[in-house]
Amino acid sequence: EAGVTQFPSHSVIEKGQTVTLRCDPISGHDNLYWYRRVMGKEIKFLLHFVKESKQDESGMPNNRFLAERTGGTYSTLKVQPAELEDSGVYFCASSQGDRALGEQFFGPGTRLTVL
Amino acid sequence: DAKTTQPTSMDCAEGRAANLPCNHSTISGNEYVYWYRQIHSQGPQYIIHGLKNNETNEMASLIITEDRKSSTLILPHATLRDTAVYYCIVRFQGGSEKLVFGKGMKLTVNP
Repeated sequence: EAGVTQFPSHSVIEKGQTVTLRCDPISGHDNLYWYRRVMGKEIKFLLHFVKESKQDESGMPNNRFLAERTGGTYSTLKVQPAELEDSGVYFCASSQGDRALGEQFFGPGTRLTVL
Repeated sequence: DAKTTQPTSMDCAEGRAANLPCNHSTISGNEYVYWYRQIHSQGPQYIIHGLKNNETNEMASLIITEDRKSSTLILPHATLRDTAVYYCIVRFQGGSEKLVFGKGMKLTVNP
């Protein structure tokens, strides 16, 4: 069974440009989460989808970040326009079930560098 | 979610048991204790979780004190591949599904 996949693995962009990160969860997992670790800080929650609906987006830093999960399968996280402080590693995770107290499976992350 | 406290780092000899402590003195009755780890720059990996009873799986054992104010993750036979940052996380049942990561504890397994 394939795990959580993320694309791209690395992205280097200029300040002000747009970047879109993609996450493919484990097949059949209704719950999809985005987290990020910016330089020197802890891993922070961004948002949680249940199927195509945003269940919790309390961690989204500002309106430059837009997450979508059309059709309840893969998800995209767009940063527009990117700022220097957005540099870091963006992780996606998925879990199954409607009471997701079990394991969250994490992808390998996308390392974003904004110059 | 309750706050957790872990040592910054710990060393362990390969083949020996690694006992990783965690304090969560403000834990409430509905909060579970979870352990995740991050090996190098990979994504975090789930290890185990529990409420009040001790738990064991193929990776580790989780011992939770009777008052639930602390717990210990036990890796019975540590290998070099167990070198990682280990996170003890307290998570409320019925609240947000998110994981709240702290600074974690760096475990170094030495040959």
